[in-house]
Amino acid sequence: AQKITQTQPGMFVQEKEAVTLDCTYDTSDPSYGLFWYKQPSSGEMIFLIYQGSYDQQNATEGRYSLNFQKARKSANLVISASQLGDSAMYFCAMREDTGANSKLTFGKGITLSVRP
Amino acid sequence: EAGVVQSPRYKIIEKKQPVAFWCNPISGHNTLYWYRQNLGQGPELLIRYENEEAVDDSQLPKDRFSAERLKGVDSTLKIQPAELGDSAVYLCASSRGFRGLNEKLFFGSGTQLSVL
Repeated sequence: AQKITQTQPGMFVQEKEAVTLDCTYDTSDPSYGLFWYKQPSSGEMIFLIYQGSYDQQNATEGRYSLNFQKARKSANLVISASQLGDSAMYFCAMREDTGANSKLTFGKGITLSVRP
Repeated sequence: EAGVVQSPRYKIIEKKQPVAFWCNPISGHNTLYWYRQNLGQGPELLIRYENEEAVDDSQLPKDRFSAERLKGVDSTLKIQPAELGDSAVYLCASSRGFRGLNEKLFFGSGTQLSVL
C-alpha cells in the first residue's frame, strides 16, 4: 500500500490567492513526522514545513501552514498569498519511527502553477 | 554555508556504458543519501550512509549499482552497465544525522541521466 498519497492533478491558482495541496498518509506507527518539500524546475528539493504526530498545534512557516488532521491521516499544505515563484512540484513525505532504518518516504508530488 | 553539490548536472550515455555521479554534502553533515527520481514520481531512497558506513542499501540494485563514501565526506554513485530504465534524476542529500523524526534533509540539484 502507498504510504503517501497525493492524487490531485495539476493545480492552478491565481497570484495572491491561497491554495491547498492535499496529502494523505498510511502508517500504524504512533510516532511519525510529516514533511513538505518544494521542487522548482532547477531540480533541488527545498524543505518547507514539518509536522510531528504528537504536535498539538498545526505547523506554520511564513506563508506555509499545515492542516494536520490526525484521525483522517491527512496533512494538507496551505500556501497563502501565492506568488509566481511558488510554481513548482510539491512533495509530501513521511518518516516513521522505525529505528535505525528510519527513512523519508515521498509521495508522487503535485504540480502547482501560479497565474499572474 | 554551501549547499549539497552534485556533478555532473546532466549526463547522456549509451546503454551498457558505465556512469558515475559525485556528491559533496554540507560540511558537518554525517548522513548522506542517494535518491532516484523517475519522471513524474517522488524520490526513492537508494542508499544511506552514516559517516563511511552504508547503513541502508536495501533498495540499491547491487548487480549494477555501487556507491562509496570514502573518508565520510564526498560520495560517488556508479552504474555499470547502464540500462535504458536507469534514466532518471539522481539526487544526493545530506543531514546532520541525529536521527530525530524532524531531521531535515538538504538536497542537491541532482544529476539528470539519459540512457540511449
